[in-house]
Amino acid sequence: RKEVEQDPGPFNVPEGATVAFNCTYSNSASQSFFWYRQDCRKEPKLLMSVYSSGNEDGRFTAQLNRASQYISLLIRDSKLSDSATYLCVVNAPSSGSARQLTFGSGTQLTVLP
Amino acid sequence: DADVTQTPRNRITKTGKRIMLECSQTKGHDRMYWYRQDPGLGLRLIYYSFDVKDINKGEISDGYSVSRQAQAKFSLSLESAIPNQTALYFCATSEGGQGNEKLFFGSGTQLSVL
Repeated sequence: RKEVEQDPGPFNVPEGATVAFNCTYSNSASQSFFWYRQDCRKEPKLLMSVYSSGNEDGRFTAQLNRASQYISLLIRDSKLSDSATYLCVVNAPSSGSARQLTFGSGTQLTVLP
Repeated sequence: DADVTQTPRNRITKTGKRIMLECSQTKGHDRMYWYRQDPGLGLRLIYYSFDVKDINKGEISDGYSVSRQAQAKFSLSLESAIPNQTALYFCATSEGGQGNEKLFFGSGTQLSVL
């Protein structure tokens, strides 16, 4: 089982739609959670951190469910510029002492005009 | 100027050749990382360094080596390149510590091994 799993999509949605992505993680000792955005052939950039109580940044809402070990990202009122791949990232203990950021393989979103 | 700079941006090489990818940063971060990205597999950690005297293997270090020449420089070497090392390589930095885990990436190096 992968440590961090995402539905690869693609998700094709019309402008203005609401779309949600889920991500599951296998290590219950995971402590930190993030969503990164990656445009085609570009570097990933932090979209938002995910906090236990849930958090919102404009049209984006992130939720964490520790009991079920998943995080979610909700995008409201989708814009054409939201088209990208969204990467779920989890900080969990790895072999050795240091925690490592583990990336999901990403969910591709295309917002259609 | 970019805070995290990778060179070269693209490289085509032949099997068996030695290749070095370079990364420099002006962010003043102690922590530096090398990742590779393959379609459908996401980013996987190759090596990381928490300071100049610290080098650690990541998930997929076989076939790679690194050198942390200074706080600002972290290079990745492929001693004898093979075709399955064809991938998009990213260098990243972070400040480190609780609450400072945000990764800042370079623009990437597309490496093709023929």
